[in-house]
Amino acid sequence: KAGVTQTPRYLIKTRGQQVTLSCSPISGHRSVSWYQQTPGQGLQFLFEYFSETQRNKGNFPGRFSGRQFSNSRSEMNVSTLELGDSALYLCASSQSAVTGAYEQYFGPGTRLTVT
Amino acid sequence: GENVEQHPSTLSVQEGDSAVIKCTYSDSASNYFPWYKQELGKGPQLIIDIRSNVGEKKDQRIAVTLNKTAKHFSLHITETQPEDSAVYFCAAFSVNDYKLSFGAGTTVTVRA
Repeated sequence: KAGVTQTPRYLIKTRGQQVTLSCSPISGHRSVSWYQQTPGQGLQFLFEYFSETQRNKGNFPGRFSGRQFSNSRSEMNVSTLELGDSALYLCASSQSAVTGAYEQYFGPGTRLTVT
Repeated sequence: GENVEQHPSTLSVQEGDSAVIKCTYSDSASNYFPWYKQELGKGPQLIIDIRSNVGEKKDQRIAVTLNKTAKHFSLHITETQPEDSAVYFCAAFSVNDYKLSFGAGTTVTVRA
């Protein structure tokens, strides 16, 4: 079974621009969670999508948004980029926490650098 | 919300020795505790997990223990090898908010 894939792997953007990151979950997994990883803040939860609906949200500003498609693929968008948005953005897929399948499997991440 | 604390932040061990990483959590509604290993340039890899109805789980050289009363859980790696060098994260999943909260990570270095 193929793992979680994320594209692109690396991205360099300028302050004020916007960016879209993509995540394809493991086949059969319907839940996709996004995390931001930085040396200072560690792994922080952004949001979770299940069946095309945002089910959970972390403490990030509204510039961070996402969506999920009917095939469970997910995208996250960051608008009006700031230098502090430079981070590794990780996507994790799971079957469904509601049914007790809590295991989350991570993709390789997208390294975003804002200059 | 859940708060997960992880110690130590760095750990250096001689090859063949054991490594122990400890985590505490605050939310009594947490019932699932995974451990992840992250190597440079890669995403975190799930290496072992434990649910709240189990006190200990072992998989070859790695084991995890859970003390629900004290709200702490630990990762034990025996007979460490150079390929065990990585950053290890503990996490706790709370059914209060269905979120996975992570510890700050432990950088493990295995000296040959």
